[in-house]
Amino acid sequence: DADVTQTPRNRITKTGKRIMLECSQTKGHDRMYWYRQDPGLGLRLIYYSFDVKDINKGEISDGYSVSRQAQAKFSLSLESAIPNQTALYFCATSGGPNEKLFFGSGTQLSVL
Amino acid sequence: QKEVEQDPGPLSVPEGAIVSLNCTYSNSAFQYFMWYRQYSRKGPELLMYTYSSGNKEDGRFTAQVDKSSKYISLFIRDSQPSDSATYLCAMEDRGSGGGADGLTFGKGTHLIIQP
Repeated sequence: DADVTQTPRNRITKTGKRIMLECSQTKGHDRMYWYRQDPGLGLRLIYYSFDVKDINKGEISDGYSVSRQAQAKFSLSLESAIPNQTALYFCATSGGPNEKLFFGSGTQLSVL
Repeated sequence: QKEVEQDPGPLSVPEGAIVSLNCTYSNSAFQYFMWYRQYSRKGPELLMYTYSSGNKEDGRFTAQVDKSSKYISLFIRDSQPSDSATYLCAMEDRGSGGGADGLTFGKGTHLIIQP
């Protein structure tokens, strides 16, 4: 089984809909992250959390919110999806500062 | 400024060739340098990790950092079709407190190894 699991793998939705992407991990890491990847723009950090009670905005948090339900679970929500949020979304974990990131397999989101 | 420049490619080379992948950066505060490999529809995985200037070798892979020129490289010897992937450089400003929140990724280079 994957250490970092993202659901769903693919999602197509319409403009204005609320969407939740889920991430769970079995690595026991405190630190969890949400990134989006766009062609030509690379990976950009949306939100990150260093423990259950800690939530921080990343480079591009506008239009997104997150919830850290438990050490192992970190979900990303789009309250009202718009087409320019079409992207590949990755969840990642790390064991501490300067430790490597472990990524999930990604969620391809398309907003029509 | 956290800009990292990386040629997106694609870079296509024959099997067995030596591959050179490169990134340049402008922030002199970057101290940790990483290369991630990403296969199609998969998440990136860490390939090499170096601190400050110098070389680091791991099997067929060599990571090189030249802080004076703000230039990092990844060399792949005896390239194989299984090396075909997107390679992303990443750099960390230690002054940001450490952790992936201080990471800046390049846009990735798509590498194709032709059998």
